[in-house]
Amino acid sequence: KAGVTQTPRYLIKTRGQQVTLSCSPISGHRSVSWYQQTPGQGLQFLFEYFSETQRNKGNFPGRFSGRQFSNSRSEMNVSTLELGDSALYLCASSFDGTNYNEQFFGPGTRLTVL
Amino acid sequence: AQTVTQSQPEMSVQEAETVTLSCTYDTSENNYYLFWYKQPPSRQMILVIRQEAYKQQNATENRFSVNFQKAAKSFSLKISDSQLGDTAMYFCAFMTYFGNEKLTFGTGTRLTIIP
Repeated sequence: KAGVTQTPRYLIKTRGQQVTLSCSPISGHRSVSWYQQTPGQGLQFLFEYFSETQRNKGNFPGRFSGRQFSNSRSEMNVSTLELGDSALYLCASSFDGTNYNEQFFGPGTRLTVL
Repeated sequence: AQTVTQSQPEMSVQEAETVTLSCTYDTSENNYYLFWYKQPPSRQMILVIRQEAYKQQNATENRFSVNFQKAAKSFSLKISDSQLGDTAMYFCAFMTYFGNEKLTFGTGTRLTIIP
């Protein structure tokens, strides 16, 4: 079974631009979560989607948004990029998000904002 | 809100030795999960071990075991017979029972196994 895939793996943008990152969960998984990893703030939860609905959201500004499609693939978008948005963005998928289901992480997308 | 604290930013140990990574957490919840995740250099985050708060027995996975002290809100990871492949960042993480997959992570411990 293929693992969680994220595209692109690396991205360079300039301040003010917007960016869209993609995450394809493991086949059959319906929950997708997104995390931001930075040296200063560590790993922080962005949001979680299940069956195309956002169920949970972290403390990030409205510039960070996401969505999930009917095939469970998810995208996150960051508008009006700031230097501080430079980070490794990780997504994780799990089966159905009820009770305990192990979350499997993707390799991440490394975003650099210049 | 939950917080997770890892007080050891870096550790190193000789190959084949035993090492213990510390983690404390704060929560008002009674039902939750605790995890240790491993993030090798330039590689994906993987789950090492998990513990359910209602279980008194400490979880064990091969060379990895935990010491879960619920009253003290402590959750340490012991790695026995350490191997070079254990070199990685280790993150302690917390999730409530109905947390909708939201993991709260500690700041991590960078573990280096010395040959």
